[in-house]
Amino acid sequence: DAGVIQSPRHEVTEMGQEVTLRCKPISGHDYLFWYRQTMMRGLELLIYFNNNVPIDDSGMPEDRFSAKMPNASFSTLKIQPSEPRDSAVYFCASSYRGENTEAFFGQGTRLTVV
Amino acid sequence: AQSVTQLGSHVSVSEGALVLLRCNYSSSVPPYLFWYVQYPNQGLQLLLKYTSAATLVKGINGFEAEFKKSETSFHLTKPSAHMSDAAEYFCAVSSGGSYIPTFGRGTSLIVHP
Repeated sequence: DAGVIQSPRHEVTEMGQEVTLRCKPISGHDYLFWYRQTMMRGLELLIYFNNNVPIDDSGMPEDRFSAKMPNASFSTLKIQPSEPRDSAVYFCASSYRGENTEAFFGQGTRLTVV
Repeated sequence: AQSVTQLGSHVSVSEGALVLLRCNYSSSVPPYLFWYVQYPNQGLQLLLKYTSAATLVKGINGFEAEFKKSETSFHLTKPSAHMSDAAEYFCAVSSGGSYIPTFGRGTSLIVHP
């Protein structure tokens, strides 16, 4: 398996624009996580899915953020409208079921909102 | 509830010196514990994990960690640092039926020549 695949790797956009980040989890994994990493706040869990169903989105900072998982092999994180304070590295990760199984991370998307 | 505390946001060592990165956890039930490493401009990757089989866990690149229940600790060590070990290290815990790992704030390891 190629691992968790995220696209794009880098995104530069203007304030107010819509941004869509994409993630393909590892085949067979039933959990998918979206994290945001910044210097100030470290690694924050935004939302996670189990079997394509959103379970906990309490980490989503504002209504401007939304996430979907239409099928087991694809998820999106959308920011609309984007703001400069959304600039961060966004990671997608997936895992399979058990407590003792680790999460596998993608390479991340570095988002810059100017 | 589960949580992780990593003591020291930065640790600086000389090449060849012992590496010690500290992690303390809080969990009301037996935990599963993980150490991840993040190299610049990359995602997190697993170094090692504790799943109750053995208290001393060996991982990749010569790292190991020891689970100490009495101290609620899971410190990461390496006998001799290499320049290539310079990275960000994260400790994480999952427990109590939660499949969601809770991550610490991370410790940046700096290795001097």
